[in-house]
Amino acid sequence: EAQVTQNPRYLITVTGKKLTVTCSQNMNHEYMSWYRQDPGLGLRQIYYSMNVEVTDKGDVPEGYKVSRKEKRNFPLILESPSPNQTSLYFCASSLWGPGSYNEQFFGPGTRLTVL
Amino acid sequence: KNQVEQSPQSLIILEGKNCTLQCNYTVSPFSNLRWYKQDTGRGPVSLTIMTFSENTKSNGRYTATLDADTKQSSLHITASQLSDSASYICVVSGPPSGGSYIPTFGRGTSLIVHP
Repeated sequence: EAQVTQNPRYLITVTGKKLTVTCSQNMNHEYMSWYRQDPGLGLRQIYYSMNVEVTDKGDVPEGYKVSRKEKRNFPLILESPSPNQTSLYFCASSLWGPGSYNEQFFGPGTRLTVL
Repeated sequence: KNQVEQSPQSLIILEGKNCTLQCNYTVSPFSNLRWYKQDTGRGPVSLTIMTFSENTKSNGRYTATLDADTKQSSLHITASQLSDSASYICVVSGPPSGGSYIPTFGRGTSLIVHP
C-alpha cells in the first residue's frame, strides 16, 4: 500500500531533550516536506527536500533540522526542543515539487508536546 | 506576499444539503490550486488539483472551480453526508521554473454536518 509513515505518533518530552521524528515513504517520491499545524494558523512548511542530499528551508525552519540521506526517509530533528514547538507535525511526499501537477500524500501526523 | 484566504472560517449545515466553500489567493506566478480534506487529528487528503487551464474538476460529490483571472476558487459539496465533517484546505503553488517549492496554505474552512 502506498503510504507515508511517521513515528512516533505521539510524543511528550521536556525542554532541551533532543528528539527525532521519522518519516518514510514507499512511493519513490523525489519531494518530501515537513509541516507543523497550530490552531488558527493552518499548515506551515518547516523544511523540504527536492532529492537525496538536497534540502531547503520552508517558512518556519528555526529550531529544526532535517536530513535526506536516502530517498525514502526524511527525519525531522529537534536539537533542543522548546514549548513553542508543541504542535501537530505532518510529513508529506510527492513525485515532484508542489509546482508540478502531482498529488501530495501526507502522513498520519505526530502530536508533540514539549513541557 | 503570497496569501490564500478561505471563507467562511466555519460552517454548519444539515445532512443532505449542499454547500460552497471559497478560496481567494494572491499567489503569483500561479501553477496549481489544490483542495484537501482533513479529518480531525489526521493528515490532509487530496480532493482535487487544477491548473490555470482547468476551470472545473470533480471528485464524486466534490466539485472545485477555478477562475485564474480573478484568482478565486470554490469547492462545492453536493448532498452532504456526516462524513463530510472536516476541515477543507485550499493550497496554491507557483511553477517550479520560478524556484517556488513552498506551497501557500489557506487556514481552512471547518465544516460540520448535522443529522
